[in-house]
Amino acid sequence: QSALTQPASVSGSPGQSITISCTGTSSDVGGYNFVSWYQQHPGKAPKVMIYDVTNRPSGVSSRFSGSKSGNTASLTISGLQAEDEADYYCSSYTNSRTWVFGGGTKLTVL
Amino acid sequence: QITLKESGPTLVKPTQTLTLTCTFSGFSLSTTEVAVGWIRQPPGKALEWLALIYWDDDKRYSPSLKSRLTITKDTSKNQVVLTLTNMDPVDTATYYCAHYHYSGSYFDYWGQGTLVTVSS
Repeated sequence: QSALTQPASVSGSPGQSITISCTGTSSDVGGYNFVSWYQQHPGKAPKVMIYDVTNRPSGVSSRFSGSKSGNTASLTISGLQAEDEADYYCSSYTNSRTWVFGGGTKLTVL
Repeated sequence: QITLKESGPTLVKPTQTLTLTCTFSGFSLSTTEVAVGWIRQPPGKALEWLALIYWDDDKRYSPSLKSRLTITKDTSKNQVVLTLTNMDPVDTATYYCAHYHYSGSYFDYWGQGTLVTVSS
């Protein structure tokens, strides 16, 4: 299985919205609604921000939202804040009953 | 409250076998629909899913590492053990264990991670 494809970097100014894409195949992203997104600050463990494509765990800001179309999932962060600057990874369940992560996207808040 | 913590060697030599232990609390691996997974991250690189073990001892492995990986559980000790054989410098990474949220198919609680360096 190949890693899911994410842009290496995205940036935005405080208050703006950004979207990070995550492209897979019909064997993973396109085949299941089991896409999750993780935020990782330097030196810290990942933290789940979105699960099952669109769901937010308790305690995660409503500024974070997820969607999917075909083989591509997306994470949107609205009202960007300085604390959102981090690496973001998507992940998907696969038809091999395994999991696969994306290559990661570095978000810079200008 | 769910917590997990990884333990094991910080330095291994090439060709050696790595054994990592994940000790957890706040849940039991003998309970239905519970699972624990391992994920690693080379310095400056992306996360990579390695393996997962379910409450019923079903095991899943990364296809690219399947021949080198073994995951086991000791429910009496609340531990999950990962072994990776024939270590190579490219296996240098921070290794995380994480609680798997079965109904949502995601990893909701993570350990702090342990950095393993492969060098002679």
